[in-house]
Amino acid sequence: GESVGLHLPTLSVQEGDNSIINCAYSNSASDYFIWYKQESGKGPQFIIDIRSNMDKRQGQRVTVLLNKTVKHLSLQIAATQPGDSAVYFCAELHVRAAGNKLTFGGGTRVLVKP
Amino acid sequence: EAGVAQSPRYKIIEKRQSVAFWCNPISGHATLYWYQQILGQGPKLLIQFQNNGVVDDSQLPKDRFSAERLKGVDSTLKIQPAKLEDSAVYLCASSKQGYEQYFGPGTRLTVT
Repeated sequence: GESVGLHLPTLSVQEGDNSIINCAYSNSASDYFIWYKQESGKGPQFIIDIRSNMDKRQGQRVTVLLNKTVKHLSLQIAATQPGDSAVYFCAELHVRAAGNKLTFGGGTRVLVKP
Repeated sequence: EAGVAQSPRYKIIEKRQSVAFWCNPISGHATLYWYQQILGQGPKLLIQFQNNGVVDDSQLPKDRFSAERLKGVDSTLKIQPAKLEDSAVYLCASSKQGYEQYFGPGTRLTVT
């Protein structure tokens, strides 16, 4: 299949283990931070978001942590499965009256080993 | 509910030629976005429409790129003339209210 990116940081993880993907952001004025998953040949898919005034948010098998002091965002995936293999992007969302703006950061490729 | 549709899925052209991409957003979604995703990078916003009006086109190379959404539904993005550095995946996304954007599968453009 197509490759989303050839020179991305890669995280190799054993099936069943937990994964942690990190992201540094630059704009302290962002309203939300969002994690997207992108599989080969597909567009990004929303995973989970966190409002900028929160520190932690949990979803199904995923947890997002926000550390505003060091401008760091992380995504934790519990019990990683083969279907989790993809490229993951963090993104900053600015809420605007004229329409919200999404700015993507760099991606991380996750490879799940059986 | 049908997702965001894009066509073509793949396009190969020579530099200096022109190309057009088409996007049909999710029904009822007022906001439509075009992104450019260069290999190995995150998507970069090119233009954002609210209904048929442009909200943000600050990162659109207007000397060669143009986009329209005449009836406030589907949209076309055109490149004329194409350059080698335009090789990328062009993603269309739409949103209704709030912030969640739904992305199409993209059009992979190769300029030779």
